Amino acid sequence: AQRVTQPEKLLSVFKGAPVELKCNYSYSGSPELFWYVQYSRQRLQLLLRHISRESIKGFTADLNKGETSFHLKKPFAQEEDSAMYYCALRRGANNLFFGTGTRLTVIP
Amino acid sequence: DVKVTQSSRYLVKRTGEKVFLECVQDMDHENMFWYRQDPGLGLRLIYFSYDVKMKEKGDIPEGYSVSREKKERFSLILESASTNQTSMYLCASSLQGEGYGYTFGSGTRLTVV
Repeated sequence: AQRVTQPEKLLSVFKGAPVELKCNYSYSGSPELFWYVQYSRQRLQLLLRHISRESIKGFTADLNKGETSFHLKKPFAQEEDSAMYYCALRRGANNLFFGTGTRLTVIP
Repeated sequence: DVKVTQSSRYLVKRTGEKVFLECVQDMDHENMFWYRQDPGLGLRLIYFSYDVKMKEKGDIPEGYSVSREKKERFSLILESASTNQTSMYLCASSLQGEGYGYTFGSGTRLTVV
């Protein structure tokens, strides 16, 4: 069975500090992972996907199959990063299993 | 340039009513999904569809049904609304295949009283 664990419901960091949002997964197949973000009063949107190996808004995430993790990182947090973040795992043909989310607050 | 449109932003219904939530996408996506979003529980998949007239149960289909008569439209139906179905409902769509993310609608907050 698949599982996506985001251990922190709430995370607060100061502006300019590094931030890491944790995501661990369990999946028997070849994993494909995503990070989604929801800013206040906006719709949920794709932040990044592991197969693209891209950096979006300064965020990066590396798939670590040995540790079954896909942590989201940013070296210097900005106030506009405050949002709800969801890690998601693709399963089967094409549907996503989401974690429970982490609310990030960046303190000015 | 709204791509996934949910017909209602807020909805209040009475227990036992039949409720229809509508979702329309204009991106010619094959896949469409309905999730509910609850604090502390994240997003949970109710139903999804990968083609017209096709539907698959998600993780929490009980008490719900869906309809996809046209490619662009995916409807979620609560046969007899109950208070535990009070939630934010999110519709999403995507292309087929690996690597494609979802495009989400803005959500419908349903309150069942």
